[in-house]
Amino acid sequence: QSALTQPRSVSGSPGQSVSISCTGTRSNIGDYNLVSWYQQHPTKAPTLIIHDVKRRPSGVPDRFSGSKSGNTAYLTIRGLQAEDEADYYCCSNAGGHTFFFGSGTKVTVL
Amino acid sequence: QVQLVESGGGVVQPGRSLRLSCAASGFSFSSYAMHWVRQAPGKGLEWVAVIYFDGNGKQYSDSVKGRFTISRDNSKNTLFLQMNSLRPEDTAVYYCAREDAVITSFDSWGQGTLVTVSS
Repeated sequence: QSALTQPRSVSGSPGQSVSISCTGTRSNIGDYNLVSWYQQHPTKAPTLIIHDVKRRPSGVPDRFSGSKSGNTAYLTIRGLQAEDEADYYCCSNAGGHTFFFGSGTKVTVL
Repeated sequence: QVQLVESGGGVVQPGRSLRLSCAASGFSFSSYAMHWVRQAPGKGLEWVAVIYFDGNGKQYSDSVKGRFTISRDNSKNTLFLQMNSLRPEDTAVYYCAREDAVITSFDSWGQGTLVTVSS
């Protein structure tokens, strides 16, 4: 059982917005701003799209945004595009240099 | 540019061993903590192990502790994962990943190497 719970799937039409939740506990998400999000297309390696809850690495489109409320982090994709169809994983630092990932969410563009 | 290239995957029988390598280039390898992350077929990502920049710190997930050993050769810019007593549930694509400690995230990933444990 993953320590970070994500919905199995979300979907939206092109141009719409979708949000993915990542629910943890106060000891991981709640008390720290060390949540990151990764995008993974089929047969490809993951890529970092959000770090420190809401920061975007250079080159990541600004339609991707992150936020947090209590023990839950969120990834929102605004203006959904076909190339956004992928799996998305949240990740939290577990102390020192250890990490754990969420269960993953498949985003489908209808 | 940053490049991470894994190798060493293959088919191995349960109980046997395998050693994975990850060749790094394009950055100062000895300045970064490096990780192994795996993904079973059709499943999610699982963090496996980390080695600190100087090799003096190592941590493992409970699922591999005592069976896997992470190591590095900073003179050759190479990361390793020695996997012993392999089990069918270790079947996965194994990725090496660089940790950017400033942002506490994996900012670069290799393409992965597939390990299949089967008789």
